[in-house]
Amino acid sequence: GAVVSQHPSRVICKSGTSVKIECRSLDFQATTMFWYRQFPKKSLMLMATSNEGSKATYEQGVEKDKFLINHASLTLSTLTVTSAHPEDSSFYICSAMTSDQPQHFGDGTRLSIL
Amino acid sequence: AQSVTQLDSQVPVFEEAPVELRCNYSSSVSVYLFWYVQYPNQGLQLLLKYLSGSTLVESINGFEAEFNKSQTSFHLRKPSVHISDTAEYFCAVTLTYSSASKIIFGSGTRLSIRP
Repeated sequence: GAVVSQHPSRVICKSGTSVKIECRSLDFQATTMFWYRQFPKKSLMLMATSNEGSKATYEQGVEKDKFLINHASLTLSTLTVTSAHPEDSSFYICSAMTSDQPQHFGDGTRLSIL
Repeated sequence: AQSVTQLDSQVPVFEEAPVELRCNYSSSVSVYLFWYVQYPNQGLQLLLKYLSGSTLVESINGFEAEFNKSQTSFHLRKPSVHISDTAEYFCAVTLTYSSASKIIFGSGTRLSIRP
């Protein structure tokens, strides 16, 4: 079945640094990718919707300058957390889909900012 | 606007006992319904979905869910659970089965199986 790969699975970094998370669709071309954030024991919160070749659409309350999303190809989207701080620590999950398939989710990235 | 309510945040059951995880949704238009499962430190996996047709849908691992339009519910059931079913379960809805559609997730239900 369709597979979405997310890398890295875990990252620990110092406050003030920027962190890039990759999301790849391995066996299909994803016209749309989504980025979610999940707090401990909470549901997924949609951060932004990303269409290949166009700017991402951010949900209300999500800082677009803080969470940079690039969807340069039909198989790759990246989320860059800029100048990360401890409050940005969370579990980030991406998903990818096409017009004839539902969203397939990556395994998530646990980001810890010290 | 659409919304999804999972009333039970946690459901503890004994192994081999039956279980029902409740899900109710709200929408003024037709929706597609999903159940996702999330194992610890992993992403979400699609468990089953209702798009149209038979209101009872089944997964390969023994779960089933029934779409009830009059009660706006999509409860998940399994007649006999196993330790390996321990996970977080999310009910979700989407308006259209296309790239433009967002998924609205419920708050999740943590299923814990006791031996």
